[in-house]
Formats: sequence, structure tokens, C-alpha cells
Amino acid sequence: EAQVTQNPRYLITVTGKKLTVTCSQNMNHEYMSWYRQDPGLGLRQIYYSMNVEVTDKGDVPEGYKVSRKEKRNFPLILESPSPNQTSLYFCASSHRWDGNSPLHFGNGTRLTVT
Amino acid sequence: AQTVTQSQPEMSVQEAETVTLSCTYDTSENNYYLFWYKQPPSRQMILVIRQEAYKQQNATENRFSVNFQKAAKSFSLKISDSQLGDTAMYFCAFMKHASGSRLTFGEGTQLTVNP
Repeated sequence: EAQVTQNPRYLITVTGKKLTVTCSQNMNHEYMSWYRQDPGLGLRQIYYSMNVEVTDKGDVPEGYKVSRKEKRNFPLILESPSPNQTSLYFCASSHRWDGNSPLHFGNGTRLTVT
Repeated sequence: AQTVTQSQPEMSVQEAETVTLSCTYDTSENNYYLFWYKQPPSRQMILVIRQEAYKQQNATENRFSVNFQKAAKSFSLKISDSQLGDTAMYFCAFMKHASGSRLTFGEGTQLTVNP
């Protein structure tokens, strides 16, 4: 089944403790991205990648890192999480980086930073 | 920068009735795409409908249709014959052509379909 898999689904951590949210897609998609969803703000893009070893900042990149060493994986790294990073996170992928290719979303990761 | 505004935080409709969700956007671009996404309680983001700005004809997908008014920068979603399964948060989103697939989302509208 074609899908974008995020793990974990829920995560509670403490301020300053490094964490990684994994994202993997099995559709051989070139394009992958991360969004965060906050009430009243919709979804905002954190980082995106147009292909292996090519990443770029989205609208809210501060406090996050990403890497794209393989086509299928695009982990989101929080080196020193803070409470304002408590949010619902989505990974998404598409075949190409234009509007003709639909974005496939993962099921989300609910992160709480205390 | 593009902005997307959904002015209705919550809406409700009776089962089998029709409801329209509003969305306005601001852009200086001429080539772009507009989307409606549905997010049920499962959190999954589901693409409902997509509109290309250069197409005059309004997109339709079964019970879902849009009213795209390019000059007014308006992109409303009409749901006909509402079903209980349509209960969800609905997001309007904008993508500039060749922008690296960056979606700009609105704030969302929580739709409740009542039996």
C-alpha cells in the first residue's frame, strides 16, 4: 500500500531533550516536506526537500533540522525542544514539486514538550 | 507573500442539506493552484478537491464542488447532500506554481454534520 509513515504517533518529552520524528514514503517520491499544525493557524511548512541531499527552509524552520540522505526518508530533528514546539506535525510527499502531483500526508505526530 | 483566510471557524449543517465553506486568498501571482483538504478526527489529511487558476471551469468531485472567483480571490467549497462522515476540519490551501510544492493553509473551518 502506497503510504507515508510517521513515527511515533504521540510523543511527550521534556525541554532540551533531543528527539527525532521519522518519516518514510514507499512511493519513490522526489518531494518531501514537514508541516506543523496549530489551532487557529492552520498548517505551516517547516522544511522541504526536492530530492536527495537537497533541503530548504519553509515558513517556520527555527528550532528544527532535517536531512535527506535517502529518497524514502526525511526525518525531522529537534535538537533542543522547547514548549513552543508543542504541536501536531505532518510529513508529506509528492511525485514532483509542483501542484500537478497531489501531496500525500502521513498520519501526524502529536508532540508535547513540557 | 500569500495569505489564505477562512472566516468561519465553525459551521454546522443538517444531514442531507447543502453547506458552503468560504475561503479568500491574497496573491499577486497569476499561476497557482487552490485546494481543499479534509481532516477528520483521525487526523489524516485528505485532499477533497483541486483547482488550477488558469482553468475557468469550477472543479467538482462527486458531492463536492467549488466556486472559484479569480478576480475576487475567492474559493468556496460547496458540499451537497451532507453526510455524517463529512464532519471534519476543512482547510483551504494555496500553492504558487513551481514553488516547491509549498502550501499556504488557511486557519480551518470545523464542520459538524448533525443527524
